[in-house]
Amino acid sequence: QSVLTQPPSVSAASGQKVTISCSGSKSNIEYNYASWYQQFPGAAPRLLVYDNNKRPSGIPDRFSVSKSAASATLVITGLQTGDEADYFCGTWDTSLSAFIFGGGTKLTVL
Amino acid sequence: QFQLQESGPGLVKPSEALSLTCTVSGGSISSVNYYWGWIRQSPGKGLEWIGIVHNTGTSHYNPSLRSRVSISLDTSKNQFSLMVTSVTAADTAVYYCASPRYYYDSAGRIDFWGQGTLVSVS
Repeated sequence: QSVLTQPPSVSAASGQKVTISCSGSKSNIEYNYASWYQQFPGAAPRLLVYDNNKRPSGIPDRFSVSKSAASATLVITGLQTGDEADYFCGTWDTSLSAFIFGGGTKLTVL
Repeated sequence: QFQLQESGPGLVKPSEALSLTCTVSGGSISSVNYYWGWIRQSPGKGLEWIGIVHNTGTSHYNPSLRSRVSISLDTSKNQFSLMVTSVTAADTAVYYCASPRYYYDSAGRIDFWGQGTLVSVS
């Protein structure tokens, strides 16, 4: 069982908006920035969004994050079929002195 | 910036040790800005962080794996390695080498990932 909690799956129609939550605690998300990773089947994860809405080069601004206390949310707008993938949140846990991941969320674009 | 590539045996016998190497190109593992570490993913499952080391010697390991895992750096070859002892079927996974951002007392985002290598324990 993951220290960070994500919904197993979410779905939304093409062109719409979807949110993926990542719930943690005071020892992780509340005081440390979360980062989000996108993983297509058979491929390695890639960094999608991190810190205060920063994105690596090449990641469109359709991907953004928000944060509230011990929870972080990935927001994807203008959904495309190519966004179908697994999404993982991750952050440092101060109590464990370890990096932790959420269980992952499978996004389906209808 | 960095490119990472895993190598090592794809099949390990139960109770033996699993050993993988990650070769880094595009920069030096002596970089002060990055840790070097390993993450694994069991078939159909989520990501499990194994551990990280920094060129200064600082290391952090997953508490659940700490007793069986070690990560070492070879700056002369620009490589780092993972060893997992006493493996069981539960260690079957795709193993990714990765480089998280270094902070003094923590690790940040994981900027670079290898493509992953499947290791089966059987």
